[in-house]
Amino acid sequence: GAVVSQHPSRVICKSGTSVKIECRSLDFQATTMFWYRQFPKQSLMLMATSNEGSKATYEQGVEKDKFLINHASLTLSTLTVTSAHPEDSSFYICSASSRRLSGNTIYFGEGSWLTVV
Amino acid sequence: SQQGEEDPQALSIQEGENATMNCSYKTSINNLQWYRQNSGRGLVHLILIRSNEREKHSGRLRVTLDTSKKSSSLLITASRAADTASYFCATDKVTGGGNKLTFGTGTQLKVEL
Repeated sequence: GAVVSQHPSRVICKSGTSVKIECRSLDFQATTMFWYRQFPKQSLMLMATSNEGSKATYEQGVEKDKFLINHASLTLSTLTVTSAHPEDSSFYICSASSRRLSGNTIYFGEGSWLTVV
Repeated sequence: SQQGEEDPQALSIQEGENATMNCSYKTSINNLQWYRQNSGRGLVHLILIRSNEREKHSGRLRVTLDTSKKSSSLLITASRAADTASYFCATDKVTGGGNKLTFGTGTQLKVEL
């Protein structure tokens, strides 16, 4: 079946630095990728929707200048957390879908743990 | 914003018992999905039920959907310790490029031996 890969699975960075998380669709072309954030024992909150070749659409309350999303190709989207603060520490999950796949199925990555110290 | 509310928030049962989780949502949907998440891991898709369906089965899973009440339930029969995880319902809204999911608050299930 289709697989979505996220990298890194865990990352620790210092306050004020930037960190990039990659989301790749390994065996299909993802026309749309979604980025979610999840705090411990809470649900997933959609941050933004990323369509290949166009600017990401951010959900209300999500700072687009802080969470930079790039969807440069049909198999790769990146989330860059800029000027990270400890409160940005969270679990970030991407998902990918394709109109070309049957039922427009959504596939999730394994997530990336970000710890800002 | 979170659309779905799930109850209970936490459920602890003995192995072999059945577990029922409920999900309510607020707006019209195309379909509703249930996902499982082991602690600190990604999501595993369990089952999808379309808005014109009322019940669906998959192995030990049974999902119902009542669009008039805007609610769904997930039943896991004959639970096993390995079923311990968080379970989320998610409703979808078709965007121009793909399905945008809105997740419920989740139920943390613990199955004890």
